[in-house]
Amino acid sequence: AQSVAQPEDQVNVAEGNPLTVKCTYSVSGNPYLFWYVQYPNRGLQFLLKYITGDNLVKGSYGFEAEFNKSQTSFHLKKPSALVSDSALYFCAVRDVPSNDYKLSFGAGTTVTVRA
Amino acid sequence: NAGVTQTPKFRVLKTGQSMTLLCAQDMNHEYMYWYRQDPGMGLRLIHYSVGEGTTAKGEVPDGYNVSRLKKQNFLLGLESAAPSQTSVYFCASSYPFGLAGPNYNEQFFGPGTRLTVL
Repeated sequence: AQSVAQPEDQVNVAEGNPLTVKCTYSVSGNPYLFWYVQYPNRGLQFLLKYITGDNLVKGSYGFEAEFNKSQTSFHLKKPSALVSDSALYFCAVRDVPSNDYKLSFGAGTTVTVRA
Repeated sequence: NAGVTQTPKFRVLKTGQSMTLLCAQDMNHEYMYWYRQDPGMGLRLIHYSVGEGTTAKGEVPDGYNVSRLKKQNFLLGLESAAPSQTSVYFCASSYPFGLAGPNYNEQFFGPGTRLTVL
């Protein structure tokens, strides 16, 4: 079975400081990993994905994430946070060998960036 | 290119009433999904479809039915609404997993339907 854990319900940072949102996963094979962002009263927007290749993945709005197989982690990072980055962030995983087509989502992490 | 659209945006039902949520996508995606979002629980898959005329159960299918009569549409039905079905419902679509290239493997989401069952 595949699963994702986002250990922090909330992350608070000051504008201009680095932002990290943590994600760990569990799969039986190799993972496909995703980050999505949800702004208030909106649907989820795709930020970035890891499928294969370079462990450091760059995505939209200056975000990046590092795939760490030994720690089964896929933490989302941004070097300098903006107030506009305040939103709800979801990590998701798919177990590649599985014939099941679904993604499993974490519970979400609310990011608040204060001015 | 509208992407994924959902109707209605908001709805209030009384217990026992029925309704259908409509999802439409114009990206020629094979796969479509219905999720519900509840506070602290992330997104949970209700039903999904890997092609026209086919549907399958997700994590939380009880109390819901779906149909995929056309490739671009995916309908979610509640036959007898219950207060436990108060939630925000999201539709998503994607290409088949495993294909290479940009925009493959990720899911594209609609804006959501906020449903309240009294």
